[in-house]
Amino acid sequence: AQTVTQSQPEMSVQEAETVTLSCTYDTSESNYYLFWYKQPPSRQMILVIRQEAYKQQNATENRFSVNFQKAAKSFSLKISDSQLGDTAMYFCALRGGSQGNLIFGKGTKLSVKP
Amino acid sequence: EPEVTQTPSHQVTQMGQEVILRCVPISNHLYFYWYRQILGQKVEFLVSFYNNEISEKSEIFDDQFSVERPDGSNFTLKIRSTKLEDSAMYFCASRIAGGSTDTQYFGPGTRLTVL
Repeated sequence: AQTVTQSQPEMSVQEAETVTLSCTYDTSESNYYLFWYKQPPSRQMILVIRQEAYKQQNATENRFSVNFQKAAKSFSLKISDSQLGDTAMYFCALRGGSQGNLIFGKGTKLSVKP
Repeated sequence: EPEVTQTPSHQVTQMGQEVILRCVPISNHLYFYWYRQILGQKVEFLVSFYNNEISEKSEIFDDQFSVERPDGSNFTLKIRSTKLEDSAMYFCASRIAGGSTDTQYFGPGTRLTVL
């Protein structure tokens, strides 16, 4: 079975600082994808960043980057220069297999404080 | 930029009633999904749909649920006889197949409240 674990239910960070959200996963698939989704109070699910397991290079999207440690099955999200608009729930998700349904972690509630 | 749309944004129904939640996936996408999120909990997979049939479903997706793609654009989730525990946010998602753009894009969700 595939699992995703987010061990930090809540985190807070000061505006302009850097924060790292943790995620570990387990899968028996050799080809899989990992994602971070953001869910603001509106509850819409917004893709933040994705990582293909076969790529060694860590994905980056502007202020967002990941630290993908395949052997350790770890996929953390780093947010640099945090902004008030980054306040949201962040979900780590795993997609493996041919059909592609996502397995989500329980989420980390991030609060950015002015 | 193309996006997944869902209607209605909020549906209130009485226990035992049937509801249909509607989704319009991104037009060139081939895989369609429904997920639900009970308030305060994680997002859970319900069902995936490809080539006009269910390709995978979770144990949550029992006989009370059905999906349909009635035309070339809509993708619906029907709950035959709603229960209190069906109250949740329901997300539709779609994905093209393969390649560097192989990502699921989510709609804004439908909040279902069962009274």
